[in-house]
Amino acid sequence: KAGVTQTPRYLIKTRGQQVTLSCSPISGHRSVSWYQQTPGQGLQFLFEYFSETQRNKGNFPGRFSGRQFSNSRSEMNVSTLELGDSALYLCASSPLGAEVPPYEQYFGPGTRLTVT
Amino acid sequence: AQSVTQLGSHVSVSEGALVLLRCNYSSSVPPYLFWYVQYPNQGLQLLLKYTTGATLVKGINGFEAEFKKSETSFHLTKPSAHMSDAAEYFCAVSLNQAGTALIFGKGTTLSVSS
Repeated sequence: KAGVTQTPRYLIKTRGQQVTLSCSPISGHRSVSWYQQTPGQGLQFLFEYFSETQRNKGNFPGRFSGRQFSNSRSEMNVSTLELGDSALYLCASSPLGAEVPPYEQYFGPGTRLTVT
Repeated sequence: AQSVTQLGSHVSVSEGALVLLRCNYSSSVPPYLFWYVQYPNQGLQLLLKYTTGATLVKGINGFEAEFKKSETSFHLTKPSAHMSDAAEYFCAVSLNQAGTALIFGKGTTLSVSS
């Protein structure tokens, strides 16, 4: 099976712009979670989607949003970019239902976003 | 609120030595705890997880962790370090039963010298 794929892998944006990142989960996985990784704050949970519904949300401002499509692919959007949004954005998928929870999350390689 | 504290941002050991990475958690409910590893320029990979039952959990690559409720700890150990163990290790507690909303510690970088 192919792993979690994230596109693009690298992105440079200017402060004030918006950006959309994409995540394709492992085939059959219906849960997709997003995390932000920075040197200062470490790994922080953004949100999780399951069956096109946001089930859990971390403590991030409303500029960060996401959605999930019927094929389980997910996108996250950041509007009005700030310098502090520069980070590695990781997507993870989980099988859910295949075994007794909790489930392993399978992480993608991430999208490196640089805001200038 | 749930949180995780990893003691020591950097641990250095010699090849063949014991690896001990410390993790303490805070949770108002029985926790689901995880250890993930991140190799350079790669995504995270699950090492092991604790749910309920046996407090000593065995994972991949010879790692194991012991859940101690009285100490709110979930330390990761490996009897004999290998060069390939050099990576960043993250302890996490789950916000939900599914394990799909994780609160991570700040991570511990493990260096292994020959």
